[in-house]
Amino acid sequence: EIVLTQSPGTLSLSPGERATLSCRASQSVSSNYLAWYRQKPGQAPRLLIYGASSRATGIPDRFSGSGSGTDFALTISRLEPEDFAVYYCHQYSSLPLTFGPGTKVEIK
Amino acid sequence: QLQLQESGPGLVKPSETLSLTCTVSGDSLSSCDCYWDWVRQPPGKGLEWIGSISSSGSSYYSPSLMSRVTISVDTSRNQFSLKLSSVTAADTAVYYCGRRTVDRNHYHYFDYWGQGALVSVSS
Repeated sequence: EIVLTQSPGTLSLSPGERATLSCRASQSVSSNYLAWYRQKPGQAPRLLIYGASSRATGIPDRFSGSGSGTDFALTISRLEPEDFAVYYCHQYSSLPLTFGPGTKVEIK
Repeated sequence: QLQLQESGPGLVKPSETLSLTCTVSGDSLSSCDCYWDWVRQPPGKGLEWIGSISSSGSSYYSPSLMSRVTISVDTSRNQFSLKLSSVTAADTAVYYCGRRTVDRNHYHYFDYWGQGALVSVSS
């Protein structure tokens, strides 16, 4: 099973600031089969990035994904009010599918 | 616009079987190259994949739940279902159904989710 570790656990930033979230895998994620989701309270997760760096339909370009192998990152260039939420990385390289524990981006 | 909706009891007694159904509307669940998944989230915690069933009927389960889980599909009703047996308080969670699309580059992603159903396990 591929275990995903996310850091930091909580990120305290102000609107307009840049956020960089990290996701590390316990073994290589083949073909960059890694996605990022944002989850707001009381809502289902929403797909942001798939294939490590491809933005999903309708996702603004302030979101970008990078990385390969075991180290991946999600960058939000300028935080908007709706971006204060929890972010999860997710691998579909091998079964069982796994999610990271999440990074909470909170308003400073 | 595809929509998914979970339904089922919100309260289940310990040792009994949790049963949820996900109704898909807006398209046939057998028309896509995709998987139909169940993911759960205990209160205040992260996401846990439970298992999935392909549009052709092949099922896959998390090893940690495999002995207690069954996922099935009813194409005539455009629904897929989850059964989790011998539940305990640790199974209390919001249960999401979702569609996991496989694109032409073989990337998988959850592009549609249900709103989630809270199931509590308590006597």
